[in-house]
Amino acid sequence: NAGVMQNPRHLVRRRGQEARLRCSPMKGHSHVYWYRQLPEEGLKFMVYLQKENIIDESGMPKERFSAEFPKEGPSILRIQQVVRGDSAAYFCASSGWQSGNTIYFGEGSWLTVV
Amino acid sequence: DQQVKQNSPSLSVQEGRISILNCDYTNSMFDYFLWYKKYPAEGPTFLISISSIKDKNEDGRFTVFLNKSAKHLSLHIVPSQPGDSAVYFCAAPDNAGGTSYGKLTFGQGTILTVHP
Repeated sequence: NAGVMQNPRHLVRRRGQEARLRCSPMKGHSHVYWYRQLPEEGLKFMVYLQKENIIDESGMPKERFSAEFPKEGPSILRIQQVVRGDSAAYFCASSGWQSGNTIYFGEGSWLTVV
Repeated sequence: DQQVKQNSPSLSVQEGRISILNCDYTNSMFDYFLWYKKYPAEGPTFLISISSIKDKNEDGRFTVFLNKSAKHLSLHIVPSQPGDSAVYFCAAPDNAGGTSYGKLTFGQGTILTVHP
């Protein structure tokens, strides 16, 4: 988990509000991935980003979810009009040429929708 | 379609004994496998990996074995310690098209409990 920073660690939102989760990759890493873990399930890939580019968003729900990784600043996972089913742990991971074929995860952001 | 499966939800082992965690996969295109360990309320921590060109990789107390013909891998922890109690996930990159090794397919996880 060293170096991948996520915030907030815990977030509570009412139904219909927006949730923004932030991720700063490990120093020197330029690839960012977002995963979601629903209760009692394994982690599921959502999206893969490089700076200013979405490379693979095949795991993202078609509506309400978006992600970005701007030239400056952290990657943002944005969930609009949250519903109870969005309650989950959201994990960010990063990789770079130094890490080879291994990605490293952050501590996670726990979203609770009430 | 669960391409990576961990069929044992839980495993209980005595301290000092061997823990064996199993994982099966269905996608013959997978060529690299990883094991992650996860404590409650924390992110997954990388443990060990293996390339499909090998059948064994060892790192300290952790050894991963790969049987390609059976599409099966296992993680051995010897000797097991109470601090090893956690959820263990096996994962494989979906590298179709050569885009990235970061798009991982995870198994459901196995809860390991090591008793003192």
